[in-house]
Amino acid sequence: AQTVTQSQPEMSVQEAETVTLSCTYDTSESDYYLFWYKQPPSRQMILVIRQEAYKQQNATENRFSVNFQKAAKSFSLKISDSQLGDAAMYFCAYRRWGDTGTASKLTFGTGTRLQVTL
Amino acid sequence: GAVVSQHPSWVICKSGTSVKIECRSLDFQATTMFWYRQFPKQSLMLMATSNEGSKATYEQGVEKDKFLINHASLTLSTLTVTSAHPEDSSFYICSARDLLGRELIEAFFGQGTRLTVV
Repeated sequence: AQTVTQSQPEMSVQEAETVTLSCTYDTSESDYYLFWYKQPPSRQMILVIRQEAYKQQNATENRFSVNFQKAAKSFSLKISDSQLGDAAMYFCAYRRWGDTGTASKLTFGTGTRLQVTL
Repeated sequence: GAVVSQHPSWVICKSGTSVKIECRSLDFQATTMFWYRQFPKQSLMLMATSNEGSKATYEQGVEKDKFLINHASLTLSTLTVTSAHPEDSSFYICSARDLLGRELIEAFFGQGTRLTVV
């Protein structure tokens, strides 16, 4: 079974600074997806960024980028120029490569609560 | 982006009664819908996966007779918590995947339902 571990329950960053959230995972699969989701106080899950395992290039979405180390099974999220609106719970998630049914379910980490201070 | 609408946003019910939560994909057809449960300050735990027109697949430890899932159409799945008890109080979230299974389009999440059983 796949597992996702986020070892940082809470992180804090000053506005405009950079912060990195850690995530490691365990799988025997070679093809899969990795995601970072944001859950603000509204509790609506928002996709931040995704990475396909077969891609060597790290995904980037504006101020958000990942450091994907497949051999080390590590998938960290870097948030640059942090903003107050970035304060939220961040979940790392894994999904097997598959189109249908339970094969496409997400396995979530325990989450990291990010605080952004002035 | 695609929209998943979940209703109600919050509900309070008496112990012993049943509560139905609806999850609708508004602008796409969802072959697969997932139901998660989230306790305060914890991660999302997958309860079950439902495929349109077939029985739901429940995760280990989830009572099938207590959490009834119906996915009668490509745009609607329902979760019914039967004979609810205070320990069923939680935040329930649904997500849906696009019919075409477009790999670059991730599952979309509903707004969640906060259930309080008194």
